[in-house]
Amino acid sequence: KQEVTQIPAALSVPEGENLVLNCSFTDSAIYNLQWFRQDPGKGLTSLLLIQSSQREQTSGRLNASLDKSSGRSTLYIAASQPGDSATYLCALRGGGADGLTFGKGTHLIIQP
Amino acid sequence: GAVVSQHPSWVICKSGTSVKIECRSLDFQATTMFWYRQFPKQSLMLMATSNEGSKATYEQGVEKDKFLINHASLTLSTLTVTSAHPEDSSFYICSAAAGRAGDTQYFGPGTRLTVL
Repeated sequence: KQEVTQIPAALSVPEGENLVLNCSFTDSAIYNLQWFRQDPGKGLTSLLLIQSSQREQTSGRLNASLDKSSGRSTLYIAASQPGDSATYLCALRGGGADGLTFGKGTHLIIQP
Repeated sequence: GAVVSQHPSWVICKSGTSVKIECRSLDFQATTMFWYRQFPKQSLMLMATSNEGSKATYEQGVEKDKFLINHASLTLSTLTVTSAHPEDSSFYICSAAAGRAGDTQYFGPGTRLTVL
């Protein structure tokens, strides 16, 4: 059974810093990996989706990488802003299964 | 972009009653819809997968007789929590996918269920 771990569980940094969120998974047989943000009491906003054949995806200040062989993905946020404060979730679609397996998330606070 | 709506956004009910949550894909046809549940400070957990016109597939540990799923059309899936109890209080989120496995899932805004 796929297990997804996100480290750290919480992170608080001053505005302007670059930061890295980590996601690890136990089964490398995946179709894709997706990063979401979730604001308190809200639904999910998709940030980046990396297909299993890809190594990274970029959108604005966000860059996500995927290393299937080591079972790791990172989300890099450049020049962080207070509006980036949210919980960031890593999710995988595994081989043979359509539903997503989520990590518990990293709760990020960007201090003004 | 693809939009998925959920109704209601929140609901409070008495123990023993049934609650129906709707999930709609507004601008695309969803061949597959998924239902997730999220308890406080926990990750989202997949409950079931539903394909239009067929019975839902439930994840291990999810009672199919308690959580009734109907995917009657390509734009609507419903989740009915039957005989709700306080332990069913949670955040329920649906997602919809238009095509093959590997296609992006678009998530609804979620429904907060509180059972008194």
